[in-house]
Amino acid sequence: AQTVTQSQPEMSVQEAETVTLSCTYDTSENNYYLFWYKQPPSRQMILVIRQEAYKQQNATENRFSVNFQKAAKSFSLKISDSQLGDTAMYFCALDVGNMLTFGGGTRLMVKP
Amino acid sequence: GAVVSQHPSRVICKSGTSVKIECRSLDFQATTMFWYRQFPKQSLMLMATSNEGSKATYEQGVEKDKFLINHASLTLSTLTVTSAHPEDSSFYICSAREGSSYNSPLHFGNGTRLTVT
Repeated sequence: AQTVTQSQPEMSVQEAETVTLSCTYDTSENNYYLFWYKQPPSRQMILVIRQEAYKQQNATENRFSVNFQKAAKSFSLKISDSQLGDTAMYFCALDVGNMLTFGGGTRLMVKP
Repeated sequence: GAVVSQHPSRVICKSGTSVKIECRSLDFQATTMFWYRQFPKQSLMLMATSNEGSKATYEQGVEKDKFLINHASLTLSTLTVTSAHPEDSSFYICSAREGSSYNSPLHFGNGTRLTVT
């Protein structure tokens, strides 16, 4: 069975600053994919960034980057130059064997 | 990009009635679709995995006779909440995997807010 843990239920950051959201996971599989999804108040799930487990290089998508530590089973998300529109719920997710498991989520508030 | 259309976005029904929610992949074929349930301020909980042309695989604790899933074509999966009760009120989200391999991208619908009175 797979588990995903997000230890920060809520976080806040000042606009233009950097914030890091934590995620740890557990799986016995060696091949898997990790994701960060954003869910704004509209409830639409938006893919933020994706990481293949077999790639050592950390994924980057504009202001979003990850720190993937496979041995530690850690997958944190760094948001640089935070914007008001980044305010949302953020979910870490593990995709193994055609099954996606979500973490409990972190509510991020970007303050002006 | 790939789009998943979920309909209706909101539905209110009376206790004891059935409600059908549709999930369509508009510009790609989806061999596998997933149905999630999300309570307020909580994460998405997988209810079932729907494979085209075969029976859905339900997660532990999900009543298959209450939550009927049909995936009759490569672009449409439906979730029917039968004999709905107030405790079934929730936000339901579908997702569809683009392509047949496990590393294919996953696209989400906009969700359906179900209120049972």
